[in-house]
Amino acid sequence: AQTVTQSQPEMSVQEAETVTLSCTYDTSESDYYLFWYKQPPSRQMILVIRQEAYKQQNATENRFSVNFQKAAKSFSLKISDSQLGDAAMYFCAYTGTASKLTFGTGTRLQVTL
Amino acid sequence: DGGITQSPKYLFRKEGQNVTLSCEQNLNHDAMYWYRQDPGQGLRLIYYSQIVNDFQKGDIAEGYSVSREKKESFPLTVTSAQKNPTAFYLCASSPRGGAPNTEAFFGQGTRLTVV
Repeated sequence: AQTVTQSQPEMSVQEAETVTLSCTYDTSESDYYLFWYKQPPSRQMILVIRQEAYKQQNATENRFSVNFQKAAKSFSLKISDSQLGDAAMYFCAYTGTASKLTFGTGTRLQVTL
Repeated sequence: DGGITQSPKYLFRKEGQNVTLSCEQNLNHDAMYWYRQDPGQGLRLIYYSQIVNDFQKGDIAEGYSVSREKKESFPLTVTSAQKNPTAFYLCASSPRGGAPNTEAFFGQGTRLTVV
């Protein structure tokens, strides 16, 4: 069974600084996607970034980028130039050939002035 | 507009009663999911369906039931056998069943409270 682990329950970053959220996963599959979702206080889930396992190049979306280490089964999210609006819960997620979408326990990110 | 709709937004249930949460999508997605989220917790998978008339148990299926009679609909019934049903429930859909998906789309959620 696939598992997703987020070992940082809470993180804090100052506005305009950079923060990295960690995620590791366990799978025996070769074809899969990894995601980072953001959940603000409204509780609406918002896709931040996705990575296809067969692509070696790390995905980037504006201020958000990932460090995908396939052999280590690691998928960290880097947020650059942090903004107050980045404060939210961040969830790492995995989907493989069974279409089962598995989430980690989340990291609460605080952004301070 | 295409999207995924959950209703109602808030739901109150008396102990011992079954209740059904609605989830409808007009995205023509094959796969649909139900998750439970407790305060300060992650999303735990209850049930998922890759195709019409088929569904699989997730990690916490006990006390819940689902049906997938139509592609666009995936209702979740919280039965009286669910010992602690008060939680926030999220429904999601993704384009393909039986394959990794590019993205899952989420509804706005239903907050269920047992009174």
